Amino acid sequence: NAGVTQTPKFQVLKTGQSMTLQCAQDMNHNSMYWYRQDPGMGLRLIYYSASEGTTDKGEVPNGYNVSRLNKREFSLRLESAAPSQTSVYFCASSEALRGTEAFFGQGTRLTVV
Amino acid sequence: QKEVEQDPGPLSVPEGAIVSLNCTYSNSAFQYFMWYRQYSRKGPELLMYTYSSGNKEDGRFTAQVDKSSKYISLFIRDSQPSDSATYLCAMSAMNYGQNFVFGPGTRLSVLP
Repeated sequence: NAGVTQTPKFQVLKTGQSMTLQCAQDMNHNSMYWYRQDPGMGLRLIYYSASEGTTDKGEVPNGYNVSRLNKREFSLRLESAAPSQTSVYFCASSEALRGTEAFFGQGTRLTVV
Repeated sequence: QKEVEQDPGPLSVPEGAIVSLNCTYSNSAFQYFMWYRQYSRKGPELLMYTYSSGNKEDGRFTAQVDKSSKYISLFIRDSQPSDSATYLCAMSAMNYGQNFVFGPGTRLSVLP
């Protein structure tokens, strides 16, 4: 049982480049999330999808877009990467938006130079 | 005031010690409480999940929730070097907010 799988694990981008972070879960969860984690800032929610077909902004959505491709997959896109987007990105999923625990992927370590 | 406060540490203890990790929160709507363990360069791993007030035990770990004081704790008995990690508390409510609110994490080192 893989749980939540993120790809890639590491990435270096030049400023202005674009990329998509992929996330897939095999737990049949309805809700999925993208967080970023920075030293001293904790986990901050970028976007979330309460259920297939819906997406909503979180705390720090600027510079990002998301796609809930199907129930399993939720991707995060950086259209024009900036050094401020250097961070560790985590995808997570939960059975429902509230009242259930979240499970995390192993993270994508992104550096924008 | 942040919604969830957590002592960032770092906290260093000798092997075999009892560790107490704590979070305080301000919103009485929170009903669901979680503790995550995060090893360096890894994703957060769910340790404990509790609903409302009370205690929950799982092996060497005990989660305690005191809703009247807005205070939750994670106790680790007979701590091991493999417990060295950052511990995050998280909470959510059925009718409030987008989903989970995380504490900033406490870094724990258990020394052999």
